[in-house]
Amino acid sequence: AQTVTQSQPEMSVQEAETVTLSCTYDTSESDYYLFWYKQPPSRQMILVIRQEAYKQQNATENRFSVNFQKAAKSFSLKISDSQLGDAAMYFCALQGAQKLVFGQGTRLTINP
Amino acid sequence: DTGVSQDPRHKITKRGQNVTFRCDPISEHNRLYWYRQTLGQGPEFLTYFQNEAQLEKSRLLSDRFSAERPKGSFSTLEIQRTEQGDSAMYLCASSRGWGETQYFGPGTRLLVL
Repeated sequence: AQTVTQSQPEMSVQEAETVTLSCTYDTSESDYYLFWYKQPPSRQMILVIRQEAYKQQNATENRFSVNFQKAAKSFSLKISDSQLGDAAMYFCALQGAQKLVFGQGTRLTINP
Repeated sequence: DTGVSQDPRHKITKRGQNVTFRCDPISEHNRLYWYRQTLGQGPEFLTYFQNEAQLEKSRLLSDRFSAERPKGSFSTLEIQRTEQGDSAMYLCASSRGWGETQYFGPGTRLLVL
């Protein structure tokens, strides 16, 4: 079975500061993909960043980057220069053979 | 890309009634997924299609639930004899194939009274 664990139900950060959201996972598959999705209060799920497990290089997308530690099965998301629009629920997700398995989510608040 | 669309966006129904939701995927995507999300939780997988073939169903998908994807285009999810525990957001996603990013629709919020 595949599991994804997000141990931080809520996080807050000052605008323009940096915040890191944690995620650990477990899978027996050798080929898989990891994702961070953002779900703002309007509730449409939006892709933030994607990581192929076979790639050692950490993915980056503008202000968003990941720290992928395959041996430790850890996949954290770093948001630099936080903006008010970053406020949302963030979900870590693992895709193995077919479906996405999601964590419980971390609610991120941005303080102006 | 026009994105994944879902209809209706909101549905209120009485316990015991049947409801049907529709999902239109991104046009060139041959995989279509259904998920259910309850308040404060991450989405949970229900089922997925590769073109018109339904290839996997979760144990969450009781016999009151049925999904179809005729001709490999849009998909419908029907819930028969709704129960209060069916109240949730039903999310649809599509992708080009295995390992490709799944793109989500806005969801259908169901409330069963």
